[in-house]
Amino acid sequence: QSALTQPPSASGSPGQSVTISCTGTSSDVGNYNLVSWYQQHPGKAPKLIIYEVTKRPSGVPDRFSGSKSGNTASLTVSGLQAEDEADYYCSSHAGRDNLGVFGGGTKLTVL
Amino acid sequence: EVQLVESGGGLIQPGGSLRLSCVASGFTLSDFWMHWVRQAPGKGLVWVSRVDGDGSTTTYADSVKGRFTISRDNAKNTLYLQMSSLRADDTAVYYCARGGHYNWDAAGYWGQGTLVTVSS
Repeated sequence: QSALTQPPSASGSPGQSVTISCTGTSSDVGNYNLVSWYQQHPGKAPKLIIYEVTKRPSGVPDRFSGSKSGNTASLTVSGLQAEDEADYYCSSHAGRDNLGVFGGGTKLTVL
Repeated sequence: EVQLVESGGGLIQPGGSLRLSCVASGFTLSDFWMHWVRQAPGKGLVWVSRVDGDGSTTTYADSVKGRFTISRDNAKNTLYLQMSSLRADDTAVYYCARGGHYNWDAAGYWGQGTLVTVSS
């Protein structure tokens, strides 16, 4: 399984919105509504912020939202805050007999 | 409160073996798929292996197939990763993560990770 494609970096000013893309194939992102997003601060464990494309776990601010179109999923962070500065990884289910696949990660900088 | 605590990492020579453990608390381990995910220094996340609730179904990344074995002891609330024939490119922080009731569920809880360094 090949890694999903994410831009290496993204940035925005406080209060702005930023969208991070995650491109896969018809074997993963395009075939399942099972894309998740993880936030990772330096030296910390990843944290699930979006699952099943659009759902947020309890406690995750509604500033974080997910969507999907075809083979590309997206994470939008609205009303950027300083604490949103982190690495973001997408992941997709890739079939019953396969492990999931991660994207390469996007470093989000809050200017 | 769900907690996952990994241990067993360290410095190991190429070709050596190591067993990682992940002690779970705050939930019934047997109800959930469990995963190992690794992250090489400065690199991204990679799914390494997963196991179903009773340990009967396992899946591995091609890069570790035949060298790593995932297992679990639900009575001890512990997940394991037995690693053998270790190589330099296995150097990474290894995280255990709790999945859901299905193999496609996202990993909602993560441990703090344990560092494995393969070097002579």
